[in-house]
Amino acid sequence: DAEITQSPRHKITETGRQVTLACHQTWNHNNMFWYRQDLGHGLRLIHYSYGVQDTNKGEVSDGYSVSRSNTEDLPLTLESAASSQTSVYFCASSESSTANTEAFFGQGTRLTVV
Amino acid sequence: GENVEQHPSTLSVQEGDSAVIKCTYSDSASNYFPWYKQELGKGPQLIIDIRSNVGEKKDQRIAVTLNKTAKHFSLHITETQPEDSAVYFCAEDSWGKFQFGAGTQVVVTP
Repeated sequence: DAEITQSPRHKITETGRQVTLACHQTWNHNNMFWYRQDLGHGLRLIHYSYGVQDTNKGEVSDGYSVSRSNTEDLPLTLESAASSQTSVYFCASSESSTANTEAFFGQGTRLTVV
Repeated sequence: GENVEQHPSTLSVQEGDSAVIKCTYSDSASNYFPWYKQELGKGPQLIIDIRSNVGEKKDQRIAVTLNKTAKHFSLHITETQPEDSAVYFCAEDSWGKFQFGAGTQVVVTP
């Protein structure tokens, strides 16, 4: 069965370190997204991609970067981790920007920056 | 996301009663409105969605209504059961990019 997986599920890192969260989907979806989830804020969009070599900033992109070298993967990098980036991160994918179809979410990565 | 307002933030209902969650949005170009359910420790999962050419959609105990003129849509859960306890998110989709409401914690008490 097709799926979307995130790794690691939990990560503790120190302030100032570079951290990369992995997201891999086997749906062959064009669209991929990264969200962070914080209490009282719901899911906020960090970065998104409509296809290979395409990346776009979301509403909370400062301090984060992504790259899309193939269809399956959209890794999220925190260039210099800050305590404000402690959060639960969700990756999602959907079929097409015009299809208005369901987004499928990974299980999440809980990141703690100490 | 600030473009989607969701109310209430918490909702406690007796088993068997109905639950209603309301959302408003601002982008008139939005034409797809999904609802997601998130259980503890898991990612959100789609439970129902509605497109802008439809005013209401039903799937067993859940239904969604959409008023495009007023830019609001609602989730209705009837005959609630303990397994309906979760966080529910509304969302709007404009050009394949989803904006989510802040979520509603629903607690169904036996």
